[in-house]
Amino acid sequence: DTEVTQTPKHLVMGMTNKKSLKCEQHMGHRAMYWYKQKAKKPPELMFVYSYEKLSINESVPSRFSPECPNSSLLNLHLHALQPEDSALYLCASSQDDSLRYNEQFFGPGTRLTVL
Amino acid sequence: GNSVTQMEGPVTLSEEAFLTINCTYTATGYPSLFWYVQYPGEGLQLLLKATKADDKGSNKGFEATYRKETTSFHLEKGSVQVSDSAVYFCALIRNTGGFKTIFGAGTRLFVKA
Repeated sequence: DTEVTQTPKHLVMGMTNKKSLKCEQHMGHRAMYWYKQKAKKPPELMFVYSYEKLSINESVPSRFSPECPNSSLLNLHLHALQPEDSALYLCASSQDDSLRYNEQFFGPGTRLTVL
Repeated sequence: GNSVTQMEGPVTLSEEAFLTINCTYTATGYPSLFWYVQYPGEGLQLLLKATKADDKGSNKGFEATYRKETTSFHLEKGSVQVSDSAVYFCALIRNTGGFKTIFGAGTRLFVKA
């Protein structure tokens, strides 16, 4: 199984809502990533988890809260978002986060719209 | 610093034409280099990679050679198909307080039948 799955595929939420994005992989990868991608732009790294510990936070606002319950799952909790947070949110995984093995496998993304 | 520069798109080609998408990088040391592809409505997929100078990555008819002397990793394909229409991202990995993938801006390719 070389697949990264993400749910939901689409999400529409108001600025006062709380929602969560979910990501799962069963490749035995020990590094997992959240990216934000705006239209016609490259992905921007948000968070990296390595061996279930947060290793990189790219100065992301606290209204985004990541969680890694176990080595296969990665969540992104959303609260009090702004319309400019509307984007495609991509999850990725890699064998670990060292240089040699950092080929990343991406999920299909969650298309988020904040009203 | 570490960065990736790709040729601006969109690139429009007819089917069976030759494709080149230029990519140059700036990095300290010897980064690993990647090409990812993103088809409409999907996430990114690794297309090919090279981890040291003079390595050639290849996949699905696409090729790219890691050129240290010109700090380049240009993507080529001899004969494109309509199904190759997508956005192509050149990327490298940097190590500054943790390993991080740096993406180029992306190049959109349209292939006409």
